[in-house]
Amino acid sequence: GDSVTQTEGLVTLTEGLPVMLNCTYQTAYSTFLFWYVQHLNEAPKLLLKSSTDNKRTEHQGFHATLHKSSSSFHLQKSSAQLSDSALYYCALRIASSSFSKLVFGQGTSLSVVP
Amino acid sequence: AQTIHQWPVAEIKAVGSPLSLGCTIKGKSSPNLYWYWQATGGTLQQLFYSITVGQVESVVQLNLSASRPKDDQFILSTEKLLLSHSGFYLCAWSRRGRYEQYFGPGTRLTVL
Repeated sequence: GDSVTQTEGLVTLTEGLPVMLNCTYQTAYSTFLFWYVQHLNEAPKLLLKSSTDNKRTEHQGFHATLHKSSSSFHLQKSSAQLSDSALYYCALRIASSSFSKLVFGQGTSLSVVP
Repeated sequence: AQTIHQWPVAEIKAVGSPLSLGCTIKGKSSPNLYWYWQATGGTLQQLFYSITVGQVESVVQLNLSASRPKDDQFILSTEKLLLSHSGFYLCAWSRRGRYEQYFGPGTRLTVL
């Protein structure tokens, strides 16, 4: 069935180092993926959405590229900031349904330290 | 600009008591509306969706029900709370024909 896998539960980085959070997916249908960011005690906010195959999308310093060949949509940033510390979810839109169903990964907690 | 409100902000309820959580979206007509549940430390799970007034579909059964009495209002309820209902309840909306969803501020529910 349709699923999203985020392999890292916790990523701890020093400020200024690059960020890469992994997301792989499985679906038999057309592919739409999203990254959401959730700060402590807040609601998730849409960070990025996928475009066409092999096209990079960017927002607020983060970027991701949909690679259908490897079923991946990894989130990247060139230089981590303390304010990037949050929970990051990768989500897959289930295109077979008549409504916009999103399946979320388990989330990756990013902790950026000085 | 669209704004989404949820009420109450937080609730502490006893097992077996009833519950009603609300969501209102302003600034957007005929949105698709969704309810999500997030257990503490867990991922987001879609519970219900609605594409029009009076019509609600269930995605996951958690002994909860939902209703859409008005175009801009979505209600989540149950007659008897369970301990397992504790968590963060989020309302979300999307534009017709668009896939991205936007979340409200959420209601934190503690069942004792």
